[in-house]
Amino acid sequence: DQQVKQNSPSLSVQEGRISILNCDYTNSMFDYFLWYKKYPAEGPTFLISISSIKDKNEDGRFTVFLNKSAKHLSLHIVPSQPGDSAVYFCAALQGLDTGNQFYFGTGTSLTVIP
Amino acid sequence: GAVVSQHPSRVICKSGTSVKIECRSLDFQATTMFWYRQFPKQSLMLMATSNEGSKATYEQGVEKDKFLINHASLTLSTLTVTSAHPEDSSFYICSAEALANSPLHFGNGTRLTVT
Repeated sequence: DQQVKQNSPSLSVQEGRISILNCDYTNSMFDYFLWYKKYPAEGPTFLISISSIKDKNEDGRFTVFLNKSAKHLSLHIVPSQPGDSAVYFCAALQGLDTGNQFYFGTGTSLTVIP
Repeated sequence: GAVVSQHPSRVICKSGTSVKIECRSLDFQATTMFWYRQFPKQSLMLMATSNEGSKATYEQGVEKDKFLINHASLTLSTLTVTSAHPEDSSFYICSAEALANSPLHFGNGTRLTVT
């Protein structure tokens, strides 16, 4: 049962425009969400996170929005750059304590066109 | 769908002993597997990348002699924590992909407690 879903396997955006990557979850007990970025032949690296007590977290060009009522989160990249081309995974867990299981989406491949 | 099986899910060991964690891709051949560690109150941190038949590539700060990774087949990678100490107690998770741009699948993780 896929508790975290990324329904768009791929996305193409022009350089300088906004990239919006979406993620939906089914478990209302999730209270911490993360985004990871992965380049080919490399492991995912942590990008940005958000706690369920917030609805927005911003870090430079990256902003994550959380809509708890819709069980939806999104990652906004503004402005998009060619170096942002990668696969982005969202993840969720219940409580940021060691040992709690991470649930990952299947990823969205972003291509930023120069 | 594709499944990655990680075993054991929990292990408790005494200080000084070694612990082996297995990561198996059940219905696909994983050319690359990744190992992560979760520190308390933090997100997952990539430890190393392993490609079948070659030596693992470790991230900066990860001791390769302490965390031995073997990726001997296209369906199995193992992480051995050698001479474990209480500070090695953590949550370890693996992921696997068939090809460079194919979907990445995650195991359920292993909670290691060293007493």
